[in-house]
Amino acid sequence: GAVVSQHPSRVICKSGTSVKIECRSLDFQATTMFWYRQFPKQSLMLMATSNEGSKATYEQGVEKDKFLINHASLTLSTLTVTSAHPEDSSFYICSARGLAGFYGYTFGSGTRLTVV
Amino acid sequence: KNEVEQSPQNLTAQEGEFITINCSYSVGISALHWLQQHPGGGIVSLFMLSSGKKKHGRLIATINIQEKHSSLHITASHPRDSAVYICAVNSNTNAGKSTFGDGTTLTVKP
Repeated sequence: GAVVSQHPSRVICKSGTSVKIECRSLDFQATTMFWYRQFPKQSLMLMATSNEGSKATYEQGVEKDKFLINHASLTLSTLTVTSAHPEDSSFYICSARGLAGFYGYTFGSGTRLTVV
Repeated sequence: KNEVEQSPQNLTAQEGEFITINCSYSVGISALHWLQQHPGGGIVSLFMLSSGKKKHGRLIATINIQEKHSSLHITASHPRDSAVYICAVNSNTNAGKSTFGDGTTLTVKP
């Protein structure tokens, strides 16, 4: 079946540094990648949608200059949290949709980011 | 009202009990997912459904498209099943974005 590999699973970084999170589709081509964020005791919420080769579309309230999304190939999308602050500490997860309907909406396993 | 409603919010069971978690949604969907999130945060995709029923080991997921309702069942529950179970739907009108329920926290006691 379709698999999305997300790395790292956990990361701790210092305030002011940048962190990159990767999502790779291992056995299908991910034409669309969705990035979600989950704050403690809250539901997962969509941050942005990216289509391969084009700029990401960000949801209202999500700073595009802070959360850089790159989807340069059909198998890799990255989310970079720039100049991270403690309030960016959260759980980030990607979901990929492929060319064929069957491979739609496969979730990565998530990344727990802690900014100290 | 949320587009995706889960019940119950919290569930405590004794080892061996049959567990049912429910999910109701209010939009037309192309797919529904059941996800499992452990205390460390990592998410495992259990099922993706668009119709009928799926079974994997002790887990069974069903969906009724007409009633906009899905259930996740766990047979012979075990303490290692303790986790948060999340229902997520992909609307057929919003470009495939997922909308998530608030999750059901399951605790299985030995």
